[in-house]
Amino acid sequence: EIVLTQSPGTLSLSPGERATLSCRASQSVSSSYLAWYQQKPGQAPRLLIYGASSRATGIPDRFSGSGSGTDFTLTISRLEPEDFAVYYCQQYGSSPPATFGPGTKVDIK
Amino acid sequence: EVQLVQSGAEVKKPGESLRISCKGSGYSFTSYWISWVRQMPGKGLEWMGRIDPSDSYTNYSPSFQGHVTISADKSISTAYLQWSSLKASDTAMYYCARRGIAARHFDYWGQGTLVTVSS
Repeated sequence: EIVLTQSPGTLSLSPGERATLSCRASQSVSSSYLAWYQQKPGQAPRLLIYGASSRATGIPDRFSGSGSGTDFTLTISRLEPEDFAVYYCQQYGSSPPATFGPGTKVDIK
Repeated sequence: EVQLVQSGAEVKKPGESLRISCKGSGYSFTSYWISWVRQMPGKGLEWMGRIDPSDSYTNYSPSFQGHVTISADKSISTAYLQWSSLKASDTAMYYCARRGIAARHFDYWGQGTLVTVSS
């Protein structure tokens, strides 16, 4: 089973600042199989990035994804008030087919 | 508009059975797999298993194999998650999510069904 580790656990930033979130896999993950989701309190997760770097439909271009192998990054170039949320990475592998990281909470400093 | 609409919140006692549902609309239901994802209170996301509605083929995470059953009725575009004997530790929010057959991510999610198991 591929285990995903996310860091930091919590990121305290101000609106307008840049956020850099890390997702590290216990073994190599195909870039095609790495996605990022945003979850706000009381809401379902929302797909942000798939294939490591492709933005989902309707996602603003301040969100970007990068990385390969075991190290992946989600960057939010300038935080908007609505971006304060929890972010999860997810990989699709063999057994189990899908695993999620523990999440990074981005909160207001 | 693509939608996954889940059944409402449930309150059950330990040992009871339960089936919750996820109805897809706005797309071809048999062209996408449906997964179920658990989120325990204050915790992260856990993939439970998935079904291909076109042939009802399923596979499960080892963590959930034998504890839940996933099924689907393609005639009414609905997937199900069921338990035969609930435990208090099954208390959680459960989400269904859609995955394209060639994709490796979940592009649409249901709104979630809160299951509370308490004596």
